[in-house]
Amino acid sequence: QSVLTQPPSASGTPGQRVTISCSGSSSNIGSNTVNWYQQLPGTAPKLLIYSNNQRPSGVPDRFSGSKSGTSASLAISGLQSEDEADYYCAAWDDSLNVLFGGGTKLTVL
Amino acid sequence: QVQLVQSGAEVKKPGSSVKVSCKASGGTFSSYAISWVRQAPGQGLEWMGGIIPIFGTANYAQKFQGRVTITADESTSTAYMELSSLRSEDTAVYYCARGGIAARLVGWFDPWGQGTLVTVSS
Repeated sequence: QSVLTQPPSASGTPGQRVTISCSGSSSNIGSNTVNWYQQLPGTAPKLLIYSNNQRPSGVPDRFSGSKSGTSASLAISGLQSEDEADYYCAAWDDSLNVLFGGGTKLTVL
Repeated sequence: QVQLVQSGAEVKKPGSSVKVSCKASGGTFSSYAISWVRQAPGQGLEWMGGIIPIFGTANYAQKFQGRVTITADESTSTAYMELSSLRSEDTAVYYCARGGIAARLVGWFDPWGQGTLVTVSS
């Protein structure tokens, strides 16, 4: 059971906007930044959002991140079939450990 | 552009050890942390520990303390993760990933290695 809580699944139709939540506590998300990773089937994870809401170069602006208190969210607008993947949130805790959420499997219907 | 290339798949017996390598190319190696993350079949991501090569001291997740050793060789830009006393539950893909902030363990992971499958079976 992961310390960071994500819904196990999410879905949407092409063009829709979907959000994935990530809930933690004061010792992790509440006091540290959140990063999001996308893992396409059979591949290594890839950085999607860092420092709560920053996009690495090459990541489309359809992807956005936010954080409030001890929770964070990833939003995907204009959903595309290639967005079908597993999404993980991550944050450091105050004991210098990295915590990952359990992952959310996104299905594009 | 930094690239991380890991060693190949391993099959190990229970009770033995495995050492996985992660070679960096195309960028600065010594001042950025290298972390190790594993993923059991069908499961999520689990951080094992990390090291900043220029400092040489590793930080480990409590779950793996005493069983994992992370090292780095600046001369070859290669990081290593050795896991001992292997059991079937250690069957997983092991990834290395570079930290995003120079000289700091904390931060995001980018890029990631391609992963190394370690199978523990008698």
